Amino acid sequence: NAGVTQTPKFRILKIGQSMTLQCTQDMNHNYMYWYRQDPGMGLKLIYYSVGAGITDKGEVPNGYNVSRSTTEDFPLRLELAAPSQTSVYFCASRGGGRWDTEAFFGQGTRLTVV
Amino acid sequence: QQQVKQSPQSLIVQKGGISIINCAYENTAFDYFPWYQQFPGKGPALLIAIRPDVSEKKEGRFTISFNKSAKQFSLHIMDSQPGDSATYFCAASIGGGATNKLIFGTGTLLAVQP
Repeated sequence: NAGVTQTPKFRILKIGQSMTLQCTQDMNHNYMYWYRQDPGMGLKLIYYSVGAGITDKGEVPNGYNVSRSTTEDFPLRLELAAPSQTSVYFCASRGGGRWDTEAFFGQGTRLTVV
Repeated sequence: QQQVKQSPQSLIVQKGGISIINCAYENTAFDYFPWYQQFPGKGPALLIAIRPDVSEKKEGRFTISFNKSAKQFSLHIMDSQPGDSATYFCAASIGGGATNKLIFGTGTLLAVQP
């Protein structure tokens, strides 16, 4: 059971470049989340999804886009990378058909924009 | 109103001592309050969680105390060990259906000295 898998683990982007952070889960979870983690700022919710075809903005969505075409995959797209997007990005999923279940996190993607 | 405020930002405790981390929230719609533990280079993992219909939950050395009227909850780590050294996040969630946000606090870096 792989859980939540994020790729890549590390990436350096130049300002203005685009990239997609991949996230896939094999637990058949309905709910999936993208967070960014900055020192002293905790985990900020970027986007989340309650099921395939349904996404919604979190606390800090500007500069990002998501899609959820399947239950398993929830990619995060950065269109025009900016230094402010330098961060560690975590994908998470929850399931069980209930809201009070455990969220499982991936190992993170460390992104640097230069 | 969606924020979860966490303190302190960092904490140093001697081995065998009690570690206490506090969180406060504003939105009374929050109905699930988990705590997550994160080791360096890893994603957060669920430690313990509580619902607002109980005032305390204990699992081993870890206890959540919940004060619904004050909109505060705290994590107590009894007999703290060096292996407990990690970053701790409180979180809050609003229940099911189309709204399933999981909002995190800013984190507390705990160092347990031997």
